[in-house]
This record gives sequence, structure tokens and C-alpha cells, in this order.
Amino acid sequence: DTGVSQDPRHKITKRGQNVTFRCDPISEHNRLYWYRQTLGQGPEFLTYFQNEAQLEKSRLLSDRFSAERPKGSFSTLEIQRTEQGDSAMYLCATTGALGYTFGSGTRLTVV
Amino acid sequence: QQQVKQSPQSLIVQKGGISIINCAYENTAFDYFPWYQQFPGKGPALLIAIRPDVSEKKEGRFTISFNKSAKQFSLHIMDSQPGDSATYFCAASKAGGFKTIFGAGTRLFVKA
Repeated sequence: DTGVSQDPRHKITKRGQNVTFRCDPISEHNRLYWYRQTLGQGPEFLTYFQNEAQLEKSRLLSDRFSAERPKGSFSTLEIQRTEQGDSAMYLCATTGALGYTFGSGTRLTVV
Repeated sequence: QQQVKQSPQSLIVQKGGISIINCAYENTAFDYFPWYQQFPGKGPALLIAIRPDVSEKKEGRFTISFNKSAKQFSLHIMDSQPGDSATYFCAASKAGGFKTIFGAGTRLFVKA
């Protein structure tokens, strides 16, 4: 148990479909992050929330991506009109005193 | 300037040996350098971290060496064990910043 729960763990979708992922930190955290990790690469920053406010978005986050954190607790990441290039592991993280606590991620495969 | 370059891409070490992974950065504004360990199917987990005001930090079998003038830092795993087989990521961030820049990772395999 990492302290951050992500659902689903795996998602296979057809190109053009919409998908939504959920992140639930076990305890309250002001900051919540989304990262994307492709095969053989390190995580890349997508977006970050301070409570319910989305304060920064990477240029990697195209218009097809939207993230929310409506009550400052859980967060959702939606990808509309998925493309094969969206296939990746989507990681959610909170911050502690020393660094990130990542969830186990949602692995998205677009076929 | 935002990159963190990590080497080698993969590493095979005999059990009991020393594993060494190197990283280099460009942005002198970075002031926090963590290392993460990732097992297949899991998210990265924080292993050890260092700030540039010290040249070395040791926690158990894991040591970070930091060379501020060269803008390089490295992870040493002493007495490497098969259970250490994982992917290791170096990373860098700056005070007040909101994101961490990760290296591309090193896949370590420790042979029994």
C-alpha cells in the first residue's frame, strides 16, 4: 500500500474512445500530481493541483486531456478521443517531506 | 536545461558487487536530487535523496555522491542483492518548483 490508490490498474481501449482514470490519496494532501511514463522512460510531468486548483499543465497535456480535483481529495484524468500515442502508464503522486509517493499507476493501451 | 541525463541504460552486477549509476544535470537552479526505485507493475518509490550542500549521503547499502561543480551525482549500491533488481531513476527539482525532472532510468539486474 503506497498511500495513493489508482483505478483502474489496466485499461485497454479502442482508438477514438474516451477514458477516465481516478486517483485517491489515502490521507489528505494539498498537492497532487499526474505524471505519464512511457516504456523505457522516466515519468514526465503532466499537471499539478494545490487542493482543488489546477496550477500548472505541461504542454504534453493536449486539449484532449482534462484533469479535475473537485473537492481537493481524489482526482480524475480524462483522455478524449484516445490515440495510440496515448498508450502509457499514468501515475498519480502526492508529496511528502522528502519526495513523491506514487500510486501503482494505470496502464493504458490504445488499440 | 531541464534535462537530467542518466547512464548506463542497463547494468548487470554479480551478487555482492557494487552497482553504480550516474546522472548529470544542466540547470543550476536544481537543489534537490532524489533517487527512485521502480519494480515492474509498480510506481516509483523514493529511495534516497540529497541536497547540494553535502557531497555524500549514505543510507544502509545506498550512497549518493554529489559533485556540485561538475553538476553530477551518482548512486552506489553496495553488496548488491538480487532483490535490488529494478529500474532506478535519478531526478532533480528546485525549491519552490512544482515538478520533478526524471532521468530515463537504469535497469539493474543482480545475478545470484
